[in-house]
Parts: sequence; structure tokens; C-alpha cells
Amino acid sequence: DAKTTQPPSMDCAEGRAANLPCNHSTISGNEYVYWYRQIHSQGPQYIIHGLKNNETNEMASLIITEDRKSSTLILPHATLRDTAVYYCIVRVHSGGSNYKLTFGKGTLLTVNP
Amino acid sequence: NAGVTQTPKFQVLKTGQSMTLQCAQDMNHEYMSWYRQDPGMGLRLIHYSVGAGITDQGEVPNGYNVSRSTTEDFPLRLLSAAPSQTSVYFCASSYGGTVRGGYTFGSGTRLTVV
Repeated sequence: DAKTTQPPSMDCAEGRAANLPCNHSTISGNEYVYWYRQIHSQGPQYIIHGLKNNETNEMASLIITEDRKSSTLILPHATLRDTAVYYCIVRVHSGGSNYKLTFGKGTLLTVNP
Repeated sequence: NAGVTQTPKFQVLKTGQSMTLQCAQDMNHEYMSWYRQDPGMGLRLIHYSVGAGITDQGEVPNGYNVSRSTTEDFPLRLLSAAPSQTSVYFCASSYGGTVRGGYTFGSGTRLTVV
């Protein structure tokens, strides 16, 4: 299974961009990168996913390097409510039409006033 | 549209008791899965299902049973509760096969085994 490596914690000033890095050097060519976040003890929330190209939605942007060995989640204007644990996950094909999401420990992003 | 509904939200069990954690989704998702989360840890996959009648084991399946008789429901059974099963349990669902967005998680069941 492709593993991901994230820094355990990061700080960001409110209103500034938050850039969260993730290494996934063993990713296979057809495996997607997903980002989720978990605020306090709530259920994880889907943010964005991508394969090769950069992606953007109303929540964030995802930048994937050309060799696909790393990616960066960008929250363009972080707010206090963005304080959460952010998980970078590689969706692993487990046979047939089966896929699994394997969560690591993620990055605790703290947005400071 | 309720999304993923988990019941109960909180539960205290005595060692050796059995119980079923309920999970229901109303989005006609094919995939459903159960995760547990321990303090300071990420989520670990217990069991998952790719459709009604089909289930498979995840990373930490021991002590848990699942079944999927309908598309909507995916209950998790603890056969004989142990203190090591004290955790927060999350159920998730998603469309299967094609990539059509991420998993939708429930709000969790907080289980304490004493």
C-alpha cells in the first residue's frame, strides 16, 4: 500500500494561505490522492482529490508534482474554523472494483488570530 | 437527505457484553466501511463492503462482525466486548468503482468498555 508522510503539526495566521505538504513516493500510477480533515472529534470531512492534474474546488486547491511523489493542499485564506487535523490519503486499489482509504496520523493545522 | 446516520452516539458496555453499532445511509452508495479511532491516532479500517451481500476485512477486523443485507445498512457487531475496543467508531459510505468524490462519514459512536 502506498504510504503518506505528513508533518505532525503546522501553524498559520488567520487570513493567510495554509500550505500542507504530503509525501507519497510509493504511489502507483492509477492511485488517487485524497485529502480529508477532522475538526475536533467530528467525523472526517472530504476536501478534495486528484490523480495527476492540479485541482481546485470551493474549499481548497490540490497541487500534485509532475512525478506524483508529493502533493500540497492549499487553503487560500485560512480562518479559525479551519483548525483541524488534515489527512493526506492514497486511495489503494485492493482488487476488482474494491478500494480502500488508509488514514495516517495527519497534520494538526492550527490557525492563529 | 440525512447522509450517514450512526446510532447510538454514546455507549458504555461491560466486558463480555455484545452489541451492534448501527450505520445507515440514504445516498444509495455502494461502498460502506467502518473505522475506529483511538486517542492521538488516525482512523483504522475494521471492515468494508462494496455492495449488498459482500463484505471484507480491513486492518483490524478481530472481535468484530459485519453483514450487508441491504444497500442502506451496514451494522457492526461486537461479539464479546473488551476494554481494548474502547474507541470512537466511524461509519463511512461512498460511490463505488468510479471516482465521484470522497467518502461521507457519520458523526461517530463513542464506545467505552469497562
